[in-house]
Amino acid sequence: GAGVSQSPRYKVTKRGQDVALRCDPISGHVSLYWYRQALGQGPEFLTYFNYEAQQDKSGLPNDRFSAERPEGSISTLTIQRTEQRDSAMYRCASSHTRNTEAFFGQGTRLTVV
Amino acid sequence: TQLLEQSPQFLSIQEGENLTVYCNSSSVFSSLQWYRQEPGEGPVLLVTVVTGGEVKKLKRLTFQFGDARKDSSLHITAAQPGDTGLYLCAGPQKTSYDKVIFGPGTSLSVIP
Repeated sequence: GAGVSQSPRYKVTKRGQDVALRCDPISGHVSLYWYRQALGQGPEFLTYFNYEAQQDKSGLPNDRFSAERPEGSISTLTIQRTEQRDSAMYRCASSHTRNTEAFFGQGTRLTVV
Repeated sequence: TQLLEQSPQFLSIQEGENLTVYCNSSSVFSSLQWYRQEPGEGPVLLVTVVTGGEVKKLKRLTFQFGDARKDSSLHITAAQPGDTGLYLCAGPQKTSYDKVIFGPGTSLSVIP
């Protein structure tokens, strides 16, 4: 596609349910990032992939959060046993190679009720 | 962990005024990036500064990287309503070059 695509755009889930957020990066982009962003704040780093390899997951808040990118393209961020504090905008970004311009998707707004 | 601070947090000005926003850290960064984010959208890269003391201009926007590479500023001349948005600075962590951290942002509102 022309840009980074994230789905769903909005997700409302009940506390305790698992959710999977999808990111489809720009075709050919090697690097993929996941961020979480509170309203009016800067994005908070969660994890980063180079091809299919998860290079850094130091930003994942706890072991309920995981991410994968099995074929080096589409990535999924999974949150298990969601809690209200997980409510946020989750953003994905991709770049052609490491440390080149990152392009952000429109994000998934997650609300845990 | 390296941190980026931004000031002011909020800024509301009249169209035509000049303004400067700041990005500061106690740590040295190999480079800093500036992004603008409009409501409902993802951040969009404006510029990357790499060399200490570097000045880059993008139309009415002037970006400067501090000599010590610990701070940066963004100056907007004759602000327009289209400049409204959240301005974010970002930079790679020294210990993990691929981990780009963001500052909290400056929310700018330009009133017509």
